[in-house]
Amino acid sequence: EPEVTQTPSHQVTQMGQEVILRCVPISNHLYFYWYRQILGQKVEFLVSFYNNEISEKSEIFDDQFSVERPDGSNFTLKIRSTKLEDSAMYFCASTRQLEPHYNSPLHFGNGTRLTVT
Amino acid sequence: QQQVKQSPQSLIVQKGGISIINCAYENTAFDYFPWYQQFPGKGPALLIAIRPDVSEKKEGRFTISFNKSAKQFSLHIMDSQPGDSATYFCAASALSGGSYIPTFGRGTSLIVHP
Repeated sequence: EPEVTQTPSHQVTQMGQEVILRCVPISNHLYFYWYRQILGQKVEFLVSFYNNEISEKSEIFDDQFSVERPDGSNFTLKIRSTKLEDSAMYFCASTRQLEPHYNSPLHFGNGTRLTVT
Repeated sequence: QQQVKQSPQSLIVQKGGISIINCAYENTAFDYFPWYQQFPGKGPALLIAIRPDVSEKKEGRFTISFNKSAKQFSLHIMDSQPGDSATYFCAASALSGGSYIPTFGRGTSLIVHP
């Protein structure tokens, strides 16, 4: 069964550094998402992406964050200047179609654990 | 308005017992209510989902009960097994800015003792 692939599985970075988290969504999916999960807490929406542009973003997704689909297969999340509070598990998700959305659930990757020191 | 409240935060059940997790929402625009199961080190995976035009959906040992008037829905796991030990998230989604964005509850850590 096709799956969403995320790399790296664990990223350690120093505060103020830039990080890029990478995702390869399922190949025929059109809608892409980033969520994050701070340890032991709920899964929080960051951003959704369709047709090479952001569809929706949350309050968390400020100017330090950006997303890109550079080559038609990868979907990346960049954090420009990491803060300690950015430490979390970051999940990429994709779905095939928007309508009817209940027939196209989100498929999540296994996440990238980001540790900012 | 976008919040989904989930309880309990943790749940311990004996093998063979019934696990019940409850969720409540405020936003009447939500029109899809999935439950996700997450094992340690893995991403959430869709377990079962319901639309608000039905009051119950059953798939094997897993049942969603939905009360539209009360804006509540719950997951029942019958004959709970140790392999069901995981974190369970309820979610609700509605169209927002051109995308359907699932809003997740805080999660319930379920432990099923053998």
